[in-house]
Amino acid sequence: DTGVSQDPRHKITKRGQNVTFRCDPISEHNRLYWYRQTLGQGPEFLTYFQNEAQLEKSRLLSDRFSAERPKGSFSTLEIQRTEQGDSAMYLCASSFRGPNEKLFFGSGTQLSVL
Amino acid sequence: QQPVQSPQAVILREGEDAVINCSSSKALYSVHWYRQKHGEAPVFLMILLKGGEQKGHEKISASFNEKKQQSSLYLTASQLSYSGTYFCGTEIGKDSNYQLIWGAGTKLIIKP
Repeated sequence: DTGVSQDPRHKITKRGQNVTFRCDPISEHNRLYWYRQTLGQGPEFLTYFQNEAQLEKSRLLSDRFSAERPKGSFSTLEIQRTEQGDSAMYLCASSFRGPNEKLFFGSGTQLSVL
Repeated sequence: QQPVQSPQAVILREGEDAVINCSSSKALYSVHWYRQKHGEAPVFLMILLKGGEQKGHEKISASFNEKKQQSSLYLTASQLSYSGTYFCGTEIGKDSNYQLIWGAGTKLIIKP
């Protein structure tokens, strides 16, 4: 069990650029979540996968955000045409099965949009 | 729909006790508690299912009052390592596809 890993840890980009983040969950976990967290707030749900299927996407998420989890393993989160409001910590978490299972979080990717 | 945590912040001396509350306006299926230290990922503490059970984790325990739609986290004889921000995540069940909705957090500072 090597834990959930995210890459990169930090990303600085200019407004309008596209960015992509990667998350490698714990290998036997079938659920993978993406959250966004800003200073002083709890994690905000973005989307989640059960295996390779994206089961839910937040209604608050603009079309500039897309996520994939090919083959049910690692996942990528892409933000197109970044805006300053996208600056936040992007957290990935994985779990085994569904309800009442504890989430294992990665250390996150800190995005700064200039 | 976001649960309300109180207090927003608390400062304690090492060895003192603290209570952190999490209240929801909706009926809850379960409550999850996590602790996040600055610059680190949130770490799981415990899950409480409806039924009023109380769980413990070292000197940290929690209760879940289904009727009041609230949970409380109890930190006894606090240690320096307890410092961090505590988040509750609430599940309202299948209507939300079992998604966790997170509170804004309670920042806990322990002084020696």
